[in-house]
Amino acid sequence: DTEVTQTPKHLVMGMTNKKSLKCEQHMGHRAMYWYKQKAKKPPELMFVYSYEKLSINESVPSRFSPECPNSSLLNLHLHALQPEDSALYLCASSRPGQGAKQPQHFGDGTRLSIL
Amino acid sequence: ELKVEQNPLFLSMQEGKNYTIYCNYSTTSDRLYWYRQDPGKSLESLFVLLSNGAVKQEGRLMASLDTKARLSTLHITAAVHDLSATYFCAPGGGATNKLIFGTGTLLAVQP
Repeated sequence: DTEVTQTPKHLVMGMTNKKSLKCEQHMGHRAMYWYKQKAKKPPELMFVYSYEKLSINESVPSRFSPECPNSSLLNLHLHALQPEDSALYLCASSRPGQGAKQPQHFGDGTRLSIL
Repeated sequence: ELKVEQNPLFLSMQEGKNYTIYCNYSTTSDRLYWYRQDPGKSLESLFVLLSNGAVKQEGRLMASLDTKARLSTLHITAAVHDLSATYFCAPGGGATNKLIFGTGTLLAVQP
Protein backbone atom coordinates (compact mmCIF):
# COMPACT_ATOMS: atom_id res chain seq x y z
CA ASP A 1 0.00 0.00 0.00
CA THR A 2 1.30 3.44 -0.92
CA GLU A 3 0.88 6.48 1.32
CA VAL A 4 -0.03 8.64 -1.65
CA THR A 5 -3.49 7.78 -2.96
CA GLN A 6 -4.52 8.51 -6.52
CA THR A 7 -7.99 8.22 -8.02
CA PRO A 8 -9.20 6.99 -10.37
CA LYS A 9 -6.81 4.16 -11.20
CA HIS A 10 -7.98 4.07 -14.80
CA LEU A 11 -9.69 6.72 -16.90
CA VAL A 12 -10.91 6.61 -20.48
CA MET A 13 -12.13 9.87 -21.94
CA GLY A 14 -12.95 11.46 -25.23
CA MET A 15 -11.14 14.47 -26.57
CA THR A 16 -14.01 16.79 -25.72
CA ASN A 17 -14.51 15.60 -22.14
CA LYS A 18 -13.53 17.32 -18.92
CA LYS A 19 -12.25 15.16 -16.09
CA SER A 20 -10.06 15.47 -13.02
CA LEU A 21 -7.37 13.34 -11.41
CA LYS A 22 -7.08 13.40 -7.65
CA CYS A 23 -4.09 12.82 -5.35
CA GLU A 24 -4.13 12.75 -1.56
CA GLN A 25 -1.44 12.32 1.09
CA HIS A 26 -1.53 12.53 4.89
CA MET A 27 2.19 12.45 5.63
CA GLY A 28 2.42 16.18 6.32
CA HIS A 29 4.39 16.74 3.12
CA ARG A 30 4.19 20.28 1.78
CA ALA A 31 5.58 19.61 -1.72
CA MET A 32 3.48 17.77 -4.26
CA TYR A 33 4.24 16.81 -7.84
CA TRP A 34 2.58 15.64 -11.04
CA TYR A 35 4.51 13.48 -13.49
CA LYS A 36 3.59 12.02 -16.85
CA GLN A 37 5.04 8.64 -17.86
CA LYS A 38 4.73 7.12 -21.31
CA ALA A 39 5.32 3.41 -21.80
CA LYS A 40 8.96 2.35 -21.45
CA LYS A 41 10.03 5.93 -20.67
CA PRO A 42 11.05 7.70 -17.47
CA PRO A 43 8.60 9.92 -15.59
CA GLU A 44 8.60 13.53 -16.78
CA LEU A 45 7.90 16.31 -14.33
CA MET A 46 4.83 18.42 -15.13
CA PHE A 47 4.09 20.57 -12.06
CA VAL A 48 5.43 21.20 -8.57
CA TYR A 49 3.48 22.73 -5.70
CA SER A 50 5.32 23.94 -2.64
CA TYR A 51 3.28 25.05 0.38
CA GLU A 52 0.16 24.96 -1.82
CA LYS A 53 1.63 27.39 -4.36
CA LEU A 54 2.60 26.46 -7.90
CA SER A 55 6.37 26.74 -8.06
CA ILE A 56 7.25 24.85 -11.25
CA ASN A 57 5.32 24.43 -14.50
CA GLU A 58 7.43 22.56 -17.03
CA SER A 59 5.80 24.27 -20.03
CA VAL A 60 2.80 21.98 -19.85
CA PRO A 61 -0.05 22.69 -22.32
CA SER A 62 -2.97 24.61 -20.84
CA ARG A 63 -5.31 21.67 -21.39
CA PHE A 64 -3.74 20.40 -18.13
CA SER A 65 -4.67 22.56 -15.15
CA PRO A 66 -3.31 21.75 -11.69
CA GLU A 67 -4.89 22.76 -8.42
CA CYS A 68 -3.78 22.39 -4.81
CA PRO A 69 -6.78 23.20 -2.59
CA ASN A 70 -5.00 22.29 0.66
CA SER A 71 -1.79 20.72 1.93
CA SER A 72 -3.10 17.16 1.54
CA LEU A 73 -4.80 17.32 -1.82
CA LEU A 74 -3.63 17.82 -5.39
CA ASN A 75 -5.84 17.78 -8.47
CA LEU A 76 -5.12 17.74 -12.17
CA HIS A 77 -7.98 19.02 -14.31
CA LEU A 78 -8.10 17.74 -17.87
CA HIS A 79 -9.87 19.34 -20.82
CA ALA A 80 -9.71 18.80 -24.58
CA LEU A 81 -6.91 16.29 -24.36
CA GLN A 82 -5.19 14.76 -27.37
CA PRO A 83 -4.50 11.06 -28.04
CA GLU A 84 -0.80 11.66 -27.34
CA ASP A 85 -1.75 12.59 -23.76
CA SER A 86 -2.53 8.95 -23.06
CA ALA A 87 -0.07 7.92 -20.35
CA LEU A 88 0.36 7.01 -16.70
CA TYR A 89 0.00 10.11 -14.51
CA LEU A 90 1.89 9.87 -11.25
CA CYS A 91 1.53 12.03 -8.18
CA ALA A 92 4.28 12.33 -5.58
CA SER A 93 4.91 14.19 -2.35
CA SER A 94 7.91 15.12 -0.22
CA ARG A 95 9.15 17.57 2.38
CA PRO A 96 10.26 20.82 0.73
CA GLY A 97 13.22 23.02 1.62
CA GLN A 98 16.97 22.66 1.37
CA GLY A 99 17.22 20.75 4.61
CA ALA A 100 14.76 18.12 3.58
CA LYS A 101 16.31 15.74 1.10
CA GLN A 102 14.06 12.79 1.65
CA PRO A 103 12.83 10.90 -1.40
CA GLN A 104 9.57 11.65 -3.10
CA HIS A 105 6.80 9.20 -2.32
CA PHE A 106 4.80 8.15 -5.37
CA GLY A 107 1.21 7.10 -5.75
CA ASP A 108 0.16 4.15 -7.89
CA GLY A 109 -0.83 6.46 -10.73
CA THR A 110 -3.83 6.98 -12.99
CA ARG A 111 -3.66 5.26 -16.35
CA LEU A 112 -5.30 7.65 -18.80
CA SER A 113 -6.51 6.72 -22.28
CA ILE A 114 -7.77 9.35 -24.71
CA LEU A 115 -10.09 8.10 -27.43
CA GLU B 1 19.51 21.69 -18.87
CA LEU B 2 20.29 18.64 -16.78
CA LYS B 3 20.60 15.43 -18.77
CA VAL B 4 20.73 12.02 -17.13
CA GLU B 5 21.89 8.93 -18.93
CA GLN B 6 21.89 5.37 -17.71
CA ASN B 7 23.62 2.40 -19.16
CA PRO B 8 22.87 -0.17 -20.05
CA LEU B 9 19.28 0.49 -21.09
CA PHE B 10 18.54 -3.22 -20.96
CA LEU B 11 20.32 -5.85 -18.94
CA SER B 12 19.65 -9.56 -19.09
CA MET B 13 21.58 -11.47 -16.50
CA GLN B 14 21.61 -14.89 -14.94
CA GLU B 15 20.79 -15.56 -11.33
CA GLY B 16 23.87 -15.50 -9.16
CA LYS B 17 25.81 -13.07 -11.33
CA ASN B 18 27.02 -9.58 -10.49
CA TYR B 19 26.57 -6.44 -12.54
CA THR B 20 26.65 -2.65 -12.32
CA ILE B 21 24.29 -0.02 -13.70
CA TYR B 22 25.78 3.40 -14.39
CA CYS B 23 24.12 6.80 -14.11
CA ASN B 24 25.81 9.86 -15.58
CA TYR B 25 24.40 13.35 -15.22
CA SER B 26 25.43 16.56 -16.90
CA THR B 27 25.31 19.28 -14.26
CA THR B 28 26.08 19.61 -10.56
CA SER B 29 23.58 18.06 -8.19
CA ASP B 30 23.82 17.73 -4.42
CA ARG B 31 21.66 14.62 -4.15
CA LEU B 32 20.77 11.54 -6.12
CA TYR B 33 18.00 9.00 -5.77
CA TRP B 34 17.51 5.47 -7.06
CA TYR B 35 14.03 4.14 -7.70
CA ARG B 36 12.63 0.79 -8.75
CA GLN B 37 9.54 0.33 -10.90
CA ASP B 38 7.81 -2.99 -11.52
CA PRO B 39 5.72 -3.30 -14.72
CA GLY B 40 2.49 -1.32 -14.47
CA LYS B 41 3.35 -0.20 -10.95
CA SER B 42 4.49 2.92 -9.18
CA LEU B 43 8.01 3.93 -8.22
CA GLU B 44 9.60 2.64 -5.05
CA SER B 45 12.45 4.57 -3.44
CA LEU B 46 15.60 2.46 -3.00
CA PHE B 47 18.43 4.81 -2.03
CA VAL B 48 19.11 8.44 -1.20
CA LEU B 49 22.71 9.59 -1.75
CA LEU B 50 23.49 12.99 -0.31
CA SER B 51 27.24 13.50 -0.49
CA ASN B 52 30.33 12.74 -2.53
CA GLY B 53 31.54 9.23 -1.76
CA ALA B 54 28.22 8.16 -0.24
CA VAL B 55 27.60 4.43 -0.34
CA LYS B 56 24.35 2.74 0.66
CA GLN B 57 23.56 -0.97 0.70
CA GLU B 58 20.31 -2.85 1.01
CA GLY B 59 20.31 -6.59 0.47
CA ARG B 60 21.84 -7.42 -2.91
CA LEU B 61 21.90 -3.79 -4.06
CA MET B 62 24.58 -1.21 -3.36
CA ALA B 63 24.55 2.38 -4.61
CA SER B 64 27.38 4.90 -4.69
CA LEU B 65 27.82 8.53 -5.66
CA ASP B 66 30.80 10.45 -7.11
CA THR B 67 29.67 14.05 -7.41
CA LYS B 68 32.94 15.17 -8.98
CA ALA B 69 32.57 12.68 -11.83
CA ARG B 70 28.77 13.22 -11.86
CA LEU B 71 28.39 9.48 -11.68
CA SER B 72 26.34 7.10 -9.59
CA THR B 73 26.41 3.33 -9.73
CA LEU B 74 23.97 0.64 -8.67
CA HIS B 75 25.73 -2.66 -8.11
CA ILE B 76 23.83 -5.92 -8.07
CA THR B 77 25.37 -8.84 -6.22
CA ALA B 78 24.30 -12.44 -6.86
CA ALA B 79 21.16 -11.46 -8.73
CA VAL B 80 17.85 -13.19 -8.06
CA HIS B 81 14.69 -13.20 -10.17
CA ASP B 82 12.89 -10.89 -7.72
CA LEU B 83 15.22 -8.07 -8.71
CA SER B 84 13.75 -7.99 -12.23
CA ALA B 85 12.36 -4.47 -12.70
CA THR B 86 13.22 -1.10 -14.22
CA TYR B 87 15.69 0.99 -12.23
CA PHE B 88 15.84 4.76 -12.48
CA CYS B 89 18.38 7.18 -11.11
CA ALA B 90 17.31 10.77 -10.48
CA PRO B 91 19.54 13.67 -9.48
CA GLY B 92 17.64 16.25 -7.50
CA GLY B 93 18.09 19.70 -6.12
CA GLY B 94 16.62 22.99 -5.04
CA ALA B 95 14.06 23.81 -2.44
CA THR B 96 11.38 21.89 -4.34
CA ASN B 97 13.63 18.82 -4.75
CA LYS B 98 12.96 18.74 -8.49
CA LEU B 99 13.97 15.37 -9.96
CA ILE B 100 15.12 14.60 -13.47
CA PHE B 101 14.88 10.88 -14.10
CA GLY B 102 17.45 8.92 -16.04
CA THR B 103 16.57 6.88 -19.08
CA GLY B 104 16.02 3.78 -16.96
CA THR B 105 17.58 0.32 -17.00
CA LEU B 106 15.32 -2.66 -17.55
CA LEU B 107 16.78 -5.56 -15.62
CA ALA B 108 15.72 -9.11 -16.43
CA VAL B 109 17.18 -11.82 -14.22
CA GLN B 110 16.96 -15.24 -15.81
CA PRO B 111 16.89 -18.44 -13.75
